[in-house]
Amino acid sequence: GQQVMQIPQYQHVQEGEDFTTYCNSSTTLSNIQWYKQRPGGHPVFLIQLVKSGEVKKQKRLTFQFGEAKKNSSLHITATQTTDVGTYFCASPAGSARQLTFGSGTQLTVLP
Amino acid sequence: DAGITQSPRHKVTETGTPVTLRCHQTENHRYMYWYRQDPGHGLRLIHYSYGVKDTDKGEVSDGYSVSRSKTEDFLLTLESATSSQTSVYFCAIRTAEMNSPLHFGNGTRLTVT
Repeated sequence: GQQVMQIPQYQHVQEGEDFTTYCNSSTTLSNIQWYKQRPGGHPVFLIQLVKSGEVKKQKRLTFQFGEAKKNSSLHITATQTTDVGTYFCASPAGSARQLTFGSGTQLTVLP
Repeated sequence: DAGITQSPRHKVTETGTPVTLRCHQTENHRYMYWYRQDPGHGLRLIHYSYGVKDTDKGEVSDGYSVSRSKTEDFLLTLESATSSQTSVYFCAIRTAEMNSPLHFGNGTRLTVT
């Protein structure tokens, strides 16, 4: 089935540094969603990208969807300790009723 | 947060015993999902439902069954629990609108000894 590969698996940054996580697919994606999971918590929806080349921003977070709709990235500028958690990308699979998740990037922010 | 309740929140059980996890929603959403989360694997879909009595398998459905007799309840049953089913289980819901996002419950931590 369709797979979305996410890298890196882990990332440690000093507070104030930037952070980026990437998702890649071998097939064209109809859309991609991003979720954040705080330690001990549940995944929470952040944003959805649908259009080729789309860029969306949420404060310090910038989300991009590739021109070919096969990759996406989440960039955090000047990380804060509140950014700690695991970030997942997800995309519809199969009948589009299903959502397939990347393996996630676990972000640690060192004060 | 969406009105999703998972029960129990924690459970320890022995190998070979049946276990049922419950997901209850108050949102009247059509779609309900069961995922398991394990280190290094992210979230993997077990089963999902697209309506009352309408269910389908996900990528890791072996050893699991589900039932949805009412819109608000989606049950996940481990027919004979194994240690490999030790995991955190998340229920999620979404509306029927195309590309609508998932809303997750707080999870159930299951340990099979």
